[in-house]
Amino acid sequence: GIQVEQSPPDLILQEGANSTLRCNFSDSVNNLQWFHQNPWGQLINLFYIPSGTKQNGRLSATTVATERYSLLYISSSQTTDSGVYFCVVGAQKLVFGQGTRLTINP
Amino acid sequence: KAGVTQTPRYLIKTRGQQVTLSCSPISGHRSVSWYQQTPGQGLQFLFEYFSETQRNKGNFPGRFSGRQFSNSRSEMNVSTLELGDSALYLCASSSLAGGTDTQYFGPGTRLTVL
Repeated sequence: GIQVEQSPPDLILQEGANSTLRCNFSDSVNNLQWFHQNPWGQLINLFYIPSGTKQNGRLSATTVATERYSLLYISSSQTTDSGVYFCVVGAQKLVFGQGTRLTINP
Repeated sequence: KAGVTQTPRYLIKTRGQQVTLSCSPISGHRSVSWYQQTPGQGLQFLFEYFSETQRNKGNFPGRFSGRQFSNSRSEMNVSTLELGDSALYLCASSSLAGGTDTQYFGPGTRLTVL
């Protein structure tokens, strides 16, 4: 099956810093989503982005489907951005990457 | 519109028992999927239901089963619990059959098997 690799596995930043999270996938995909899991376990959908670029406030994402990668950008980080970010591919059967654990210190 | 709800939120069981978890999707959503999250294996797909039919199943033993009712609510059952079944169980709902749609997750049920 398709493999999803995320990097880095862990990222520790100070409040106000910018970050880039990367997701590589092993096969072509028609669906790609980014999720944020907060410390209480709730998964929140950030972007549905099988290709192209989208922006939502301080967050933006780019997927280059032909090169099989996606990037999530977080600017001006806040402590509430802490948690685990998952890159997820698939439709009815989602395949999750191992996640990037982001810690934003005040 | 209310989000995806899961009950119970926390559960403690002993080995050998069975457990039933419930998931109510967002109103109008007909697809419900279940996932298991553990520290070692990450998030893994269990099964997906659409209009009361199981369309996809992950690589879990037959002790894990599920069903969906006509109102799209879904339940999953785990029989003969093992210590390794301790996990966060998440369900997700989406509105379209084809999957070109955002998935919305519930808060999860945290199961501890002693």
